[in-house]
Amino acid sequence: NAGVTQTPKFRVLKTGQSMTLLCAQDMNHEYMYWYRQDPGMGLRLIHYSVGEGTTAKGEVPDGYNVSRLKKQNFLLGLESAAPSQTSVYFCASRTGTIISNQPQHFGDGTRLSIL
Amino acid sequence: GNSVTQMEGPVTLSEEAFLTINCTYTATGYPSLFWYVQYPGEGLQLLLKATKADDKGSNKGFEATYRKETTSFHLEKGSVQVSDSAVYFCALSQFDTDKLIFGTGTRLQVFP
Repeated sequence: NAGVTQTPKFRVLKTGQSMTLLCAQDMNHEYMYWYRQDPGMGLRLIHYSVGEGTTAKGEVPDGYNVSRLKKQNFLLGLESAAPSQTSVYFCASRTGTIISNQPQHFGDGTRLSIL
Repeated sequence: GNSVTQMEGPVTLSEEAFLTINCTYTATGYPSLFWYVQYPGEGLQLLLKATKADDKGSNKGFEATYRKETTSFHLEKGSVQVSDSAVYFCALSQFDTDKLIFGTGTRLQVFP
C-alpha cells in the first residue's frame, strides 16, 4: 500500500532557485494538504485542496503556490526560494466527507534546505 | 480562534513508567480531537481520536478521554516501551472546516 508518496525526500537549493514538490496519493481522497514543520512550531498549513481543480490558502501561504490538476496529485511550488523556507514539508490527504473526524494520512516528508 | 496547547518536552521516562502528555484546546462548539505520532524520519500517523464529549480513544495501549468541561484531551499509557519514543501531536478539527489545528508536539524519550 503506497498511501501518500512525496518526492523528492531531500533537496538543497540556493536562494532564488525554484522547485516543485510532488505529492501523490492512491486512496482516491478528495482533500489534500501541504504543511511545513519547523522546530517548536508544530505543523503549519501552507495550502490545501478540497478537490481536483481547487486550491485554498492555509496559515502560511506566502512564497508558495500549488496546483491540483489531477485528483491524485498535489504540487507545491517555490518560485524563488528563500532561507526562511528551509523546513520539512509534509503532504497529507483525507477522504472527502462533511464529517471532519476522518483522519489525515501523511507522507514521509521532504527535507528542504535553502542556502 | 481555535488553538491547541501541549506540554513542552522532552518527556524522559524509563521503560515501564506511566506516561501522561497534557493537551488542552480552545474551540467553539464541539471539535473532534486527535493524537498523532511521528517516529524518527517518518510522517505523522493517527494514534487515536475522539469525536464527542466523554469519548475515550484508545490504540496500542494509549488512551485519551475527551473532557469538554476542562477542554482537555490528555494522552496516557500505563507502561511505556523504548519503541514508544517519538513526537506526539495533539490536534483538533471543527465540523464546519476542512483543516486540522496542531499543537507544537511533545517529544517522548524512553530509556531501557
